Amino acid sequence: DAGVIQSPRHEVTEMGQEVTLRCKPISGHNSLFWYRQTMMRGLELLIYFNNNVPIDDSGMPEDRFSAKMPNASFSTLKIQPSEPRDSAVYFCASSSSGGELEETQYFGPGTRLLVL
Amino acid sequence: AQKVTQAQTEISVVEKEDVTLDCVYETRDTTYYLFWYKQPPSGELVFLIRRNSFDEQNEISGRYSWNFQKSTSSFNFTITASQVVDSAVYFCALSSLDTGRRALTFGSGTRLQVQP
Repeated sequence: DAGVIQSPRHEVTEMGQEVTLRCKPISGHNSLFWYRQTMMRGLELLIYFNNNVPIDDSGMPEDRFSAKMPNASFSTLKIQPSEPRDSAVYFCASSSSGGELEETQYFGPGTRLLVL
Repeated sequence: AQKVTQAQTEISVVEKEDVTLDCVYETRDTTYYLFWYKQPPSGELVFLIRRNSFDEQNEISGRYSWNFQKSTSSFNFTITASQVVDSAVYFCALSSLDTGRRALTFGSGTRLQVQP
């Protein structure tokens, strides 16, 4: 079975540019999470969706960040305009609310973002 | 508020030694899950084990075992007969069902170095 798929794996951009990160969750999972990992702050939640609806976006840094989940198999995280402090690894994870391993989050490989 | 503390920043052992990673958590919720994830040098986050708050039975799975004690709010993880491939950063994490905060709260991680 395919795991969580993220693209791109690496992104280098210049300050002020728009960045779009993409995620395809595991088929059948109904929750999707976006996390960010930095040396200073560790792993922190940005936003999560349940059944395609945003439930908790308290971790979204500011208006420059936005996330969408138009359907059960696709989500985007957009940064516009990007700033050097946005440089980090962005992880997408998905989970299901039923089954033997309910609530277990499986992570994608991450997108390593560098904003110059 | 939830909090996960991993007091050990870095541990170094020699191959075949047993090693225990400590995790202490804080939550006011009664229904929650505890997890251990592994992040090898390649950067992905790999799910290892999960425990729910109603099941304090400790188990062994291969070289992995865990000790969950609600009385001390601890969820320690042991690797028996460590191998070089176990070298990674290990994260303890917590999610809650009571408040609907199903996103993971991570500890700061413990870097394990297994020397040959």
